[in-house]
Parts: sequence; structure tokens; C-alpha cells
Amino acid sequence: DTGVSQNPRHKITKRGQNVTFRCDPISEHNRLYWYRQTLGQGPEFLTYFQNEAQLEKSRLLSDRFSAERPKGSFSTLEIQRTEQGDSAMYLCASSLRSGGIQETQYFGPGTRLLVL
Amino acid sequence: KNEVEQSPQNLTAQEGEFITINCSYSVGISALHWLQQHPGGGIVSLFMLSSGKKKHGRLIATINIQEKHSSLHITASHPRDSAVYICAVRSREADTGNQFYFGTGTSLTVIP
Repeated sequence: DTGVSQNPRHKITKRGQNVTFRCDPISEHNRLYWYRQTLGQGPEFLTYFQNEAQLEKSRLLSDRFSAERPKGSFSTLEIQRTEQGDSAMYLCASSLRSGGIQETQYFGPGTRLLVL
Repeated sequence: KNEVEQSPQNLTAQEGEFITINCSYSVGISALHWLQQHPGGGIVSLFMLSSGKKKHGRLIATINIQEKHSSLHITASHPRDSAVYICAVRSREADTGNQFYFGTGTSLTVIP
């Protein structure tokens, strides 16, 4: 399977615990995006990387959230001191940005987080 | 107010019916995407449009840039088309990551 993969697919945690999610993009893609989706809503942008550089973070992203893409390949999204409001589907997408050509984002299956 | 509005929010159709889902947006865009989200969360990109019309199988997507409106049509609908269809636009702002705005989706159920 050469698509975007995310692990774990599901995570249940107690409030206050830290959780980390991983996203493996399509191998040649240089851009990687993280989104959050709550029930009945469309995805919300969280942050994105071009190669290893984190170019933008949404104002939605509190200090408890941190994302890395250390080698410009896979990325991790960590949530510290989880709150019940963090319960959502966390989606990763990747794309290939080449010059000024518009790129299509390819989405992973998501990680569904439930904070009890 | 959301930058992207979709209608209807929910749609139930009989198998074989012609289906239209509408998307209106309020920002200047460089591209519009139609996405399909299956139960369980998986998202598939169906179309990326910047003008005119695209067709793929039974799916047709159109966009009118002047009216800031797009439609997704499904001909001869089938129960396997049941999913949430999401409209997303890429804003024509400076090249930053916060450039995608998503609609809340249209939940389609096709009954055999």
C-alpha cells in the first residue's frame, strides 16, 4: 500500500495523559498536513510541513499540541495533558508541491482519539 | 460564517436517481476540491477544479468562479455512493498552509 498511513487507528486515553500519533506520507510527497475533525464537522487545519520545516500552525493549536517531521518523511503529532475536548479524528494528508503547480492532497485513514 | 457552505446537509435518494450537491464559498480561491469520506473516516479526493467541469465515471463536478459556486453530480446513484461528500477550497492567499477551508459535508444515503 503506497498511500498515506496513520497509526494508531484508534486511541482511548484518560484525561491528562499524553498521546502521540504518527503519519507516514506518500514517499515522494514533500508537504504534510494535519487536520482535526469532530463529529458532524468538516476537517479543520492544524499545521503543515514542507519537508522538515513546519511552515504554519493554526490558532486552533494550543501549546499542548506539537508536531514534528524531523527527517522530512514521517510526522508525529503529540497532545500533552489531553482534555475531553481533544476527542476527535486526527487526519493527515500529504501532497507534492512542485513549482506553482496546484497539488492534490491525499488523506490517510485518520486516528480516532477518545479522551475519557 | 463559514467560508464554505454546502447544501443539502443530508440527502436520501433511491438507487438510480440523479444527485446534486452544492457548494458555495466566500473567499477567492485557486482551486476547489470535492472529497468523499467513508464511514470510519477515510477520505478520498474525487476532484480538484479551478474552472469548468470534470467528469470521472458517474461523477461530474462543475465550478463557476464568478458565482463562487460548485456542484457535484452523481448520475445513476448506487448504494455504494453512500458517504459524506465534502467541499474544500484552497484560498488564493499568500502561499501558507492555512489555505484550505472545508465545508461541513453532505451526508448521502442511497437506498436500494
